[in-house]
Amino acid sequence: EAQVTQNPRYLITVTGKKLTVTCSQNMNHEYMSWYRQDPGLGLRQIYYSMNVEVTDKGDVPEGYKVSRKEKRNFPLILESPSPNQTSLYFCASSLYGNGYTFGSGTRLTVV
Amino acid sequence: AQSVAQPEDQVNVAEGNPLTVKCTYSVSGNPYLFWYVQYPNRGLQFLLKYITGDNLVKGSYGFEAEFNKSQTSFHLKKPSALVSDSALYFCAVRDIGLRSGNTGKLIFGQGTTLQVKP
Repeated sequence: EAQVTQNPRYLITVTGKKLTVTCSQNMNHEYMSWYRQDPGLGLRQIYYSMNVEVTDKGDVPEGYKVSRKEKRNFPLILESPSPNQTSLYFCASSLYGNGYTFGSGTRLTVV
Repeated sequence: AQSVAQPEDQVNVAEGNPLTVKCTYSVSGNPYLFWYVQYPNRGLQFLLKYITGDNLVKGSYGFEAEFNKSQTSFHLKKPSALVSDSALYFCAVRDIGLRSGNTGKLIFGQGTTLQVKP
């Protein structure tokens, strides 16, 4: 089944403790992206990647890192999480930008 | 800058009645427009998209959307609402801005909660 898989689904952590949210797609899509969803703000792009080893900042990149060493994986790294990064996170992938498949989401709480 | 607006935070409709969820957009060129639905504790599911062609686009679960270039709108519609349609709906436009090149970024509206009552 074609899908984008995110892990974990739920995560509670403490301020400053590094964490990684994994994202993997099995559709050979060249484009991958991370979004965060906050009430009243819709989804905002954090980082995106056009292909392996090609990443760039989205609209809200502060406090986040990404890497794209393989086509299928696009992990989101929070080196020192803070409470304002408490949010619902979605990974998405796309072929040529004409259709996007989203993961099931990761609900992160930073206390 | 490209943007999407969903003017209603919530839409309430009775089951069996037609529903409309509004979306307006602002783009510098030809828009690529999308509708997604999010059920509680679930990811975003694709409903339909407009790239080119007929202004009336049909999608999943009986939904359709009408692209209106003069009004820069892309309203989501369904002739007869079901209670199971209750969810959060997002309109989005693909960023094809000159500044960023073809980043493939989706720009989302803030979302509209649809409540269908029995």
